[in-house]
Amino acid sequence: SQTIHQWPATLVQPVGSPLSLECTVEGTSNPNLYWYRQAAGRGLQLLFYSVGIGQISSEVPQNLSASRPQDRQFILSSKKLLLSDSGFYLCAWSGSLSDTQYFGPGTRLTVL
Amino acid sequence: GNSVTQMEGPVTLSEEAFLTINCTYTATGYPSLFWYVQYPGEGLQLLLKATKADDKGSNKGFEATYRKETTSFHLEKGSVQVSDSAVYFCALSAGQAGANSKLTFGKGITLSVRP
Repeated sequence: SQTIHQWPATLVQPVGSPLSLECTVEGTSNPNLYWYRQAAGRGLQLLFYSVGIGQISSEVPQNLSASRPQDRQFILSSKKLLLSDSGFYLCAWSGSLSDTQYFGPGTRLTVL
Repeated sequence: GNSVTQMEGPVTLSEEAFLTINCTYTATGYPSLFWYVQYPGEGLQLLLKATKADDKGSNKGFEATYRKETTSFHLEKGSVQVSDSAVYFCALSAGQAGANSKLTFGKGITLSVRP
C-alpha cells in the first residue's frame, strides 16, 4: 500500500530564516505531487505541483519554492521566511493517471 | 473557472442527528467530485468520491450523490457520532488525470457533534 510522510511535524522559525520541508511517498512510482498551504481558519491553497522529476509548476507567486530531486520526494523551501508564511503545509500525491489525491499528515509552521 | 461553494458553518449537532452538508459546484466538462475530512491537527482524508452523474459515493455511513442537473454533491449521514466532529471539504477535479488533476476545494465546514 501507498504511504506519504512529511517532516518535520511541527516547526517554529524566526522571520528571515530559511525553510525546508520534506515529503516522501512510498509504494508507488511516478506520482503527481502537490504542496498546499492551509492558513488558520481558511481553506486550502495549492502552492506547487509536479508531474515528474525536476518538473515544478507554481500556482501562486511568493517567496517559496519547490523541488523534486527524486521521483517520490518533494521539497518545499524558502530562503527567508515571512510572518505570513505561517500555516499548515500539506503534501499530497495522486497516481499519474488518476485525479484522486491522498494527503500527508502535514507540517505546522509558525514564523515568529 | 472551476469553483466549489459550501454552506456556511460551523454546524453543531447532537449525537444520532441527521447530517446534511451542502456543496454546489461550477465547472466545465465532467468533473470528478470529492469529500475530504480533516480531523484536528491532521491532514485530509478522502471520505468518498463520485466520477459521473448520478453516481453515489459512500463510506463510513456517509453518502453523496453526483447531481449534474443541480450541480450539487451534498454530504449526508443518517446518524452522526461524536467521532465525526471534524472539518469537511468538498472538492472537484477537472476530470482529467495527470497534469490536469488539480483539485478545487470549497472553504470547508466545521462539524461539532455533542454527546
